Amino acid sequence: SQTIHQWPATLVQPVGSPLSLECTVEGTSNPNLYWYRQAAGRGLQLLFYSVGIGQISSEVPQNLSASRPQDRQFILSSKKLLLSDSGFYLCAWSQERAYGYTFGSGTRLTVV
Amino acid sequence: GENVEQHPSTLSVQEGDSAVIKCTYSDSASNYFPWYKQELGKGPQLIIDIRSNVGEKKDQRIAVTLNKTAKHFSLHITETQPEDSAVYFCAASSPLGPGGSYIPTFGRGTSLIVHP
Repeated sequence: SQTIHQWPATLVQPVGSPLSLECTVEGTSNPNLYWYRQAAGRGLQLLFYSVGIGQISSEVPQNLSASRPQDRQFILSSKKLLLSDSGFYLCAWSQERAYGYTFGSGTRLTVV
Repeated sequence: GENVEQHPSTLSVQEGDSAVIKCTYSDSASNYFPWYKQELGKGPQLIIDIRSNVGEKKDQRIAVTLNKTAKHFSLHITETQPEDSAVYFCAASSPLGPGGSYIPTFGRGTSLIVHP
């Protein structure tokens, strides 16, 4: 069966520090991968998605970037965090050419 | 693009009552409508979905109805229990995007509180 792993679960970082959040999927190949942010107030905002290694689509201009160095690995990064980057970050995957997400357990990022 | 409106934003019910959450969408090309449940501090989980060629789908205490003409769909939870307390999201999806990507438009969520 397929599983998605996301870490760390919580992170407190100072303003101006770098960020690296990692997401991996097991039990499938060539998944579509997604990064979402959920700020206070519950809405889910799509940040990036990837349909293959090295293929990244950005939905929202921001202080963040994403990379997909391996088929089942998706990384969210920032060179310098802003206070506004605080939030709950969710990784998700879907099967190629199929509907439906499986979300990871999320990372609670607090920038101080 | 697609726009999904979800109501109410908060719903408070007594244990055993029914709960109904409603969503409307704007893009007539949307053909897949999932519902997700998000418990506190966790990622959303798919609880039920419906495709545009079906009017209603049921899974034990939860059901979803779809009215394509009116462009609205609803989640119905019967005999609510305290463990049903969570944030519920609806979503609407048009046909798959570039590279077979699945990019739904989510509603803003409904916080369901079930009082024992």
